[in-house]
Amino acid sequence: SYELTQPPSVSVSPGQTASITCSGDKLGDKYTWWYQQKPGQSPVLVIYQNSKRPSGIPERFSGSNSGNTATLTISGTQAMDEADYYCEAWDSNTEVFGSGTKVTVL
Amino acid sequence: QVQLVQSGAEVKKPGASVKVSCKASGYTFTSYDINWVRQAAGQGLEWMGWMNPNSGNTGYVQKFQGRVTMTRDPSISTAYMELSGLRSEDTAVYYCTSGVYPKKFDYWGQGTLVTVSS
Repeated sequence: SYELTQPPSVSVSPGQTASITCSGDKLGDKYTWWYQQKPGQSPVLVIYQNSKRPSGIPERFSGSNSGNTATLTISGTQAMDEADYYCEAWDSNTEVFGSGTKVTVL
Repeated sequence: QVQLVQSGAEVKKPGASVKVSCKASGYTFTSYDINWVRQAAGQGLEWMGWMNPNSGNTGYVQKFQGRVTMTRDPSISTAYMELSGLRSEDTAVYYCTSGVYPKKFDYWGQGTLVTVSS
C-alpha cells in the first residue's frame, strides 16, 4: 500500500519559515492536500491540489510538489500556527494520509 | 454556512456495533460525497471510506471491508457509519468530512469518540 512519510516534528521561531515535507513514491505525479489540526479540534484544509489555498487561509501558507516530495511552507510563522499538519494524497482508489508533523513555535 | 453535526460519544463492549450519524446543513446534501476518517488518541488520521449521498454508492478501505457500512437518509440530510465487531483498537474519534472536489475534505464534523472497553 502507498505510504506518505512526514517528519514527526518541526520547530520554528516566531516570524521564521517552517517547512514540512511529505515523501512518497512519485508523489509529484499526484495531487497533495494539507490539513492543520489543533489539539481537540477537527482538521482544517489549508492547501489543496499541491499549492492552492482555500478562502480564509492566510497567504503565509503555501505548498509545492515535485519528484517524491511535497512541501508545506509557513512563512512568517505565528504562534497560532502551532499544530499538527497532515499531508494527503489519492492512490489506487484510496485516500492516504501522512503520519503527521507537529509544528512547535518556540 | 456548511455544517456537519455528529452524534455523541459512545461506549461499547468488544464485539458490539456502533452507528455514528452525521447531519449536514447549509448545502444540498446529495451534492457532496461523505467520507469517514478516524483518529486514535495521539495518532494520525485514517481514511475509512466514502459514500455518495445521491446514489448510495460506497467505497471502503479493505481493512474495514465486512465490518463497516455507510448509509444515508436524504430526507433528513444525514449520513451514517456503522462499524461492527468492535475491538479495543477501534477506540478512536470518528469524523465525517465532505466537500466538492478538489476541496474534497473541506468540511468536517466535530468528531465522535467511540470507546471500546469491556
